[in-house]
Amino acid sequence: EIVLTQSPGTLSLPPGERATLSCRASQSVSSNYLAWYQQRPGQAPTLLIYGASRRATGIPDRFSGSGSGTDFTLTISRLEPEDFAVYYCQQYGDSPFSFGPGTKVDIK
Amino acid sequence: EVQLLESGGGLVQPGGSLRLSCAASGFTFSSYAMSWVRQAPGRGLEWVSTISREGGNTYNADSVRGRFTTSRDNFKDTVILQMSDLRAEDTAVYYCAKVGRTNYVWGALDLWGQGTMVTVSS
Repeated sequence: EIVLTQSPGTLSLPPGERATLSCRASQSVSSNYLAWYQQRPGQAPTLLIYGASRRATGIPDRFSGSGSGTDFTLTISRLEPEDFAVYYCQQYGDSPFSFGPGTKVDIK
Repeated sequence: EVQLLESGGGLVQPGGSLRLSCAASGFTFSSYAMSWVRQAPGRGLEWVSTISREGGNTYNADSVRGRFTTSRDNFKDTVILQMSDLRAEDTAVYYCAKVGRTNYVWGALDLWGQGTMVTVSS
């Protein structure tokens, strides 16, 4: 079973700043099948990034994903008010298709 | 409109059973694997199960294996999560989600329902 660890647990930044979120896997993620999701309070998650670096349909280009193997990063180039939310990574290369514990991005 | 709509949640006693449904619309349901993901109150996301597009293969989290069964009806565009021997730790919002890649179970979840709440308590 692949265990995902996300850091930091909470990231406090002002609007306009750059956010860098990390996701580390306990073993290599098959075919870099790593996704990132955003979840706003009271809402269902939405897909941001799949295949480690491909933006999902309709996702602004301020969101970017990078990494391979066991280390992955989600970058938000300039935080907009609607970006303050919780972000989860998920690996979907090997069952169980585990999620990380999440990183909360809040307003400083 | 492309959407997923879950139903069937509610309050159930420990040891009881519950059947969740997810109705899909706006896309070719039979071409995509489907998943269930849950979220306990104030906690993170937990993958529960995935079923292949034709229903012949299912994958389950260890925490629910032997208690939960996922099935689908490609004529009714519906996926079902049959839950039995429910425990307090199964209390969560249960989301239905579509795998974003045709014909494969190995895909990110590109469409989510709004979720249905399951509470296991006496």
